[in-house]
Amino acid sequence: AQSVTQPDIHITVSEGASLELRCNYSYGATPYLFWYVQSPGQGLQLLLKYFSGDTLVQGIKGFEAEFKRSQSSFNLRKPSVHWSDAAEYFCAALSGTGYALNFGKGTSLLVTP
Amino acid sequence: DAGITQSPRYKITETGRQVTLMCHQTWSHSYMFWYRQDLGHGLRLIYYSAAADITDKGEVPDGYVVSRSKTENFPLTLESATRSQTSVYFCASSGAGGPGDTQYFGPGTRLTVL
Repeated sequence: AQSVTQPDIHITVSEGASLELRCNYSYGATPYLFWYVQSPGQGLQLLLKYFSGDTLVQGIKGFEAEFKRSQSSFNLRKPSVHWSDAAEYFCAALSGTGYALNFGKGTSLLVTP
Repeated sequence: DAGITQSPRYKITETGRQVTLMCHQTWSHSYMFWYRQDLGHGLRLIYYSAAADITDKGEVPDGYVVSRSKTENFPLTLESATRSQTSVYFCASSGAGGPGDTQYFGPGTRLTVL
């Protein structure tokens, strides 16, 4: 079955430190891949997406993600975290024949002073 | 204002009552989606629609009904609400440019079934 896994439920980082959120997918063929962020009490906002081509994708708010086919991963990174980055982060995938996103269970990011 | 809106934002109801959650988008997007968000489950697809009068089930459709008579509206009805339907419901929409079209999400409706 197609699935998206986010191994870390919670992550805590210090403000200014680097961040990496993990995402693994299980699909027959490489899916379209997305990262969304959800601030408390808000809807989801797209950070970035990958379809093909350059495996390093730049997004909004200083985020980037790297697609690694050999590891079936699409990890999200940020070199220096700000307190405003505290939120829930969701990785999602979409098969080439579908329109509905398949979400991971999310990673909650806490940023400490 | 342009965008995707949901109403109500908060709703408390009782078991057995019918509840309708509204979703409206101003982009004339072809695709619309309903997801529910629960702790430990992330977001799960309830129903989606590819165009007016075309709807299809998602991962967790039981107990829900949808309709889409107009492109811009996609209401979700709980015909007889149960406590297990207590959740946050998100509506989303996307264009018909292909699977890569960005899905835009509404602000959500928090539903509590007592």
